[in-house]
Amino acid sequence: EVQLVQSGAEVKKPGESLKISCKGSGYSFTSYWIGWVRQMPGKGLEWMGIIYPGDSDTRYSPSFQGQVTISADKSISTAYLQWSSLKASDTAMYYCARQESVAGYDYWGQGTLVTVSS
Amino acid sequence: QSALTQPASVSGSPGQSITISCTGTSSDVGGYNYVSWYQQHPGKAPKLMIYDVSNRPSGVSNRFSGSKSGNTASLTISGLQAEDEADYYCSSYTSSSTYVVFGGGTKLTVL
Repeated sequence: EVQLVQSGAEVKKPGESLKISCKGSGYSFTSYWIGWVRQMPGKGLEWMGIIYPGDSDTRYSPSFQGQVTISADKSISTAYLQWSSLKASDTAMYYCARQESVAGYDYWGQGTLVTVSS
Repeated sequence: QSALTQPASVSGSPGQSITISCTGTSSDVGGYNYVSWYQQHPGKAPKLMIYDVSNRPSGVSNRFSGSKSGNTASLTISGLQAEDEADYYCSSYTSSSTYVVFGGGTKLTVL
């Protein structure tokens, strides 16, 4: 069974760093792109970027380039999304998802809620 | 403002059919057959309903169908059921540096 399991909810202060994770199982982790999607409270889905764990090829949406870093450790089938300095506006639910087809994400993690507040 | 335009809301009665539109440009929806549709219930992760314009993943009801004409893609739900009430999002590959764009989402209400 294909599964993507994300790390738990986080509460951080502005300026702090954070790295959340997404562990894949039940399929060849190195053979599929993994994408990250943001959903701010009460808002729609926003595509952040993707990574190919096989060779760590990464692409970012211009809206998120320089704001976050996407990485992966194929030895433990885990993708990551990290911030070096969080802002209150980073408060959102973050989902990872497996890319089956271009723009087609067939398996999703349960989401990681990130709350940034002083 | 989202790159793809969807109506904010649609509604229908049980048993009826509804269609949700998703309008883009020749750089995304109109230029490639990489349009997907997602269903999201409150507090849940999105679920892929249609990919590559009209393909249904295994396990998705055949009441859901997708199509495209020019720069507009459409999701049709036939035989509307109460459990179809949810938010629906379209997405598309784009030749711009964004790579993938989502629509703003449509809230479906089953009356």
